[in-house]
Amino acid sequence: DVKVTQSSRYLVKRTGEKVFLECVQDMDHENMFWYRQDPGLGLRLIYFSYDVKMKEKGDIPEGYSVSREKKERFSLILESASTNQTSMYLCAVSPLPGGSTEAFFGQGTRLTVV
Amino acid sequence: AQSVSQHNHHVILSEAASLELGCNYSYGGTVNLFWYVQYPGQHLQLLLKYFSGDPLVKGIKGFEAEFIKSKFSFNLRKPSVQWSDTAEYFCAVSGVLYNTDKLIFGTGTRLQVFP
Repeated sequence: DVKVTQSSRYLVKRTGEKVFLECVQDMDHENMFWYRQDPGLGLRLIYFSYDVKMKEKGDIPEGYSVSREKKERFSLILESASTNQTSMYLCAVSPLPGGSTEAFFGQGTRLTVV
Repeated sequence: AQSVSQHNHHVILSEAASLELGCNYSYGGTVNLFWYVQYPGQHLQLLLKYFSGDPLVKGIKGFEAEFIKSKFSFNLRKPSVQWSDTAEYFCAVSGVLYNTDKLIFGTGTRLQVFP
């Protein structure tokens, strides 16, 4: 199985700060995803990447950007954090495109924006 | 566009009761279907998956799901739940047409099992 490591379990940031969430995998898989998880809303896809320097918008990309300079690392960037971005952020990795095989998840980063 | 609906938001059962969680999806083509589980404080993990073949899929911990194409459904079942099944359950779907098909999740069902 893939090990997916998210750099922080808990983060507290101020409104307007630029926030970086990091995700690293220990395999060589092409596909990486960022979701946010909110009560009653499930997991919503923010961005995904199917190769280095390649990215696709998910369902809720507004206010976020991503970076994939190396295959093993996928970063989510909040350009100017706002309180409505307080959420649990989950990174996922899969070896094949989209959902062609199971996705492996990190432990999540709980971000609070004050 | 793909979408997934989970109609049961919160289910409360006693141990040994039977479980069925509903999942319906919307997608025009061939799909892959998944159920993921998130135990308290843990990361999401795969419970079972359907890609093709036998529409009755067996997963870990005694769970199973049935793909009914005509109803666009993939309901999760377990004949007798245990306290340790207390968790949040997510249905997910992806299309198989394009390399960049997204993995889309439902809103989740919180299951509480009491001894």
